[in-house]
Amino acid sequence: GAVVSQHPSWVICKSGTSVKIECRSLDFQATTMFWYRQFPKQSLMLMATSNEGSKATYEQGVEKDKFLINHASLTLSTLTVTSAHPEDSSFYICSATILAGGRSEQFFGPGTRLTVL
Amino acid sequence: GQQVMQIPQYQHVQEGEDFTTYCNSSTTLSNIQWYKQRPGGHPVFLIQLVKSGEVKKQKRLTFQFGEAKKNSSLHITATQTTDVGTYFCAGGKAAGNKLTFGGGTRVLVKP
Repeated sequence: GAVVSQHPSWVICKSGTSVKIECRSLDFQATTMFWYRQFPKQSLMLMATSNEGSKATYEQGVEKDKFLINHASLTLSTLTVTSAHPEDSSFYICSATILAGGRSEQFFGPGTRLTVL
Repeated sequence: GQQVMQIPQYQHVQEGEDFTTYCNSSTTLSNIQWYKQRPGGHPVFLIQLVKSGEVKKQKRLTFQFGEAKKNSSLHITATQTTDVGTYFCAGGKAAGNKLTFGGGTRVLVKP
């Protein structure tokens, strides 16, 4: 299957700093990329939908000024958590979608575990 | 907004037994997808169902999409320890569109 990478795989930062997470589709061009957040023992919560060359669409309750998304190319999307606080500590997962023949499949990255001290 | 619910939240299964996890959407879906997430890992795609009443099998796993395209089920036969993990269903309103994930069923297997 298609491969999606995320970098870094984990990061520890001080409160108030900004953290950038990269999501890359390694062997395909993704129609769309999605960013999710997953708290321990909970489900994946969609944060935003990212399309190359256009502004991201954020889900209700997600602050777009705090979670900056840049979709520079069909293979790269970045999520920047600005002025991170301990409550932002979570597992951030991206996915990239291939749309073919009316069917779509999301390929998930390995996730980035963010810990804010 | 769209809600997707899964039951049970937890499933303790004796190795060798069968079990089923259920997924229900508050709205009609275009497609439903199932994912498996191992502890400490990321979700891995299992299957996508798009047709009303569709049934698909993958070895010991049987997936079904309801006639009304609002519910789905995953049935696992002869459970093995490798089946441990959380199984998520995710509903889509259109191909390529965002998915709404259910809460997941966390499966523990007793040897």
